[in-house]
Amino acid sequence: RKEVEQDPGPFNVPEGATVAFNCTYSNSASQSFFWYRQDCRKEPKLLMSVYSSGNEDGRFTAQLNRASQYISLLIRDSKLSDSATYLCVPGGYNKLIFGAGTRLAVHP
Amino acid sequence: DVKVTQSSRYLVKRTGEKVFLECVQDMDHENMFWYRQDPGLGLRLIYFSYDVKMKEKGDIPEGYSVSREKKERFSLILESASTNQTSMYLCASTRMSSYNEQFFGPGTRLTVL
Repeated sequence: RKEVEQDPGPFNVPEGATVAFNCTYSNSASQSFFWYRQDCRKEPKLLMSVYSSGNEDGRFTAQLNRASQYISLLIRDSKLSDSATYLCVPGGYNKLIFGAGTRLAVHP
Repeated sequence: DVKVTQSSRYLVKRTGEKVFLECVQDMDHENMFWYRQDPGLGLRLIYFSYDVKMKEKGDIPEGYSVSREKKERFSLILESASTNQTSMYLCASTRMSSYNEQFFGPGTRLTVL
């Protein structure tokens, strides 16, 4: 079983749509969780951290379910500029474990 | 602004050549990492380093070695390049706590012929 499982997509959505990505992780000892965004042919960049209580940053909401070892990312009112690959990243001991990513394509 | 730079964006080498990939960060970060990224596999950790002259194997260290002689510089070495090492190589750095954001360089796309 992979350490991090994500639906690779692509998710093709129109502008203004709400889209949700899910991710499961296998290491129950993970203590930190992140979503990274990677644009085509660019390096990954931190989108947001994920806290146990859930957190929101503008149009983005992240949720964590430790019991189910499940992380989610919700994007509301999608913009063309949201088109990218979203990487689910649970933290292991002294390192991060990167998922293969879910590709999002937002069209006009 | 944190800046992580890598010595080359594109590199073409022949099988059996020794290859050096250089990474430099300017934020005095203690931790540095080397990953490779392949389609469908995501980022896989090759080696990382907590401090000067310290190194730890990641998940796929075979065929690679590293060097960290100065805090700001972390080098990845392919002792004898092989075609299965054709990949995108990404360097990252972060402050001592592993729970902090990792900052990535722009990547080096290495092709081994």
